[in-house]
Amino acid sequence: TQLLEQSPQFLSIQEGENLTVYCNSSSVFSSLQWYRQEPGEGPVLLVTVVTGGEVKKLKRLTFQFGDARKDSSLHITAAQPGDTGLYLCAGGPRSQGNLIFGKGTKLSVKP
Amino acid sequence: EADIYQTPRYLVIGTGKKITLECSQTMGHDKMYWYQQDPGMELHLIHYSYGVNSTEKGDLSSESTVSRIRTEHFPLTLESARPSHTSQYLCASSEFTGTGGKLFFGSGTQLSVL
Repeated sequence: TQLLEQSPQFLSIQEGENLTVYCNSSSVFSSLQWYRQEPGEGPVLLVTVVTGGEVKKLKRLTFQFGDARKDSSLHITAAQPGDTGLYLCAGGPRSQGNLIFGKGTKLSVKP
Repeated sequence: EADIYQTPRYLVIGTGKKITLECSQTMGHDKMYWYQQDPGMELHLIHYSYGVNSTEKGDLSSESTVSRIRTEHFPLTLESARPSHTSQYLCASSEFTGTGGKLFFGSGTQLSVL
């Protein structure tokens, strides 16, 4: 069974700080997606990475897919209160199947 | 923008009632999903469908049932609701039936069973 472990589970920081959240597995994935979910809403896709070592930037957010396609990280520079939410990583299994979600990192950015 | 709609947004009902959670999408996506999520916690896949007349059980066992008579509509039914069914239910769709497709989520239905 393929599993995705996310860390930390909770993170509370002040506005302006930098942070990194991690998504790790012992399994190889064909792709890795990151979603953000705000309270009372459904998750919204932020990015998809498909190539080992790939780095994608979305404004202050930087996503990286590990060389072996087993792990990924999300780095936020100068966090803002609007970044508050639940960050979920989801892996596309190599064989036919549905996305596998991690348990998420709950981020709170205080003004 | 996601064109996937869930109703109702909130539902409070008594034990033993039959309920149907509605989900509709206007994107013409074949694959649709139902996830269960406790507040701020992980998503659990409970049902999915590859298209019309296709329904499959997900990773988490659920007493709910689903139907897919039309491409755009994927309702979830609980015949007899219990307090243990209290949770948020999220519907999603994807363009691709294979792995790794982007999921579009609805805003969810928050169900409370008293």
